[in-house]
Amino acid sequence: DQQVKQNSPSLSVQEGRISILNCDYTNSMFDYFLWYKKYPAEGPTFLISISSIKDKNEDGRFTVFLNKSAKHLSLHIVPSQPGDSAVYFCAASSTLQGAQKLVFGQGTRLTINP
Amino acid sequence: DTGVSQNPRHKITKRGQNVTFRCDPISEHNRLYWYRQTLGQGPEFLTYFQNEAQLEKSRLLSDRFSAERPKGSFSTLEIQRTEQGDSAMYLCASNAVGGQPQHFGDGTRLSIL
Repeated sequence: DQQVKQNSPSLSVQEGRISILNCDYTNSMFDYFLWYKKYPAEGPTFLISISSIKDKNEDGRFTVFLNKSAKHLSLHIVPSQPGDSAVYFCAASSTLQGAQKLVFGQGTRLTINP
Repeated sequence: DTGVSQNPRHKITKRGQNVTFRCDPISEHNRLYWYRQTLGQGPEFLTYFQNEAQLEKSRLLSDRFSAERPKGSFSTLEIQRTEQGDSAMYLCASNAVGGQPQHFGDGTRLSIL
């Protein structure tokens, strides 16, 4: 069963515009959420995280929003830059169900067009 | 500040052979994780260590797989009698107790001929 889902395999955005990547989860025990970025031939790189006690966390151009009632989170990148072109994974973990085990979505390939 | 290091980067082997991968975590991190990623999917958790103790194993980790972290520093992941379905990217990550997030290495890509 896919507990974390990224329903958009790909997204194309014009440079300077906002990129919005979405993620849904089914396990209500998840209480910590992260976004990773992955370039080809490299491992995932941590971007930003959010605890379930918050509904928003911001770090520079990156903002993550969490809607617990909808079991949905999103990553906003503004303004989008060519270097943001990569595959983005959302991940979740549960303090009560083995806090260290991250459950990942399938990824969304973001392409920023000049 | 060196990151997580994995060797080799790419391993090609024949079906039925044994393979071993190595992971060197960030030096002050006492938690170490192994994940597997197949094409078009996100990483899937395999197992994790706190210091030298293996604290959790996924049901994905069949009895052909074994992981060790003998001195609480580097870790090895061995796959015995490899099968076609073992072809994947094997990722290692580390972090400190009480600290998130996990920091990943660049992985070892296993190809089974």
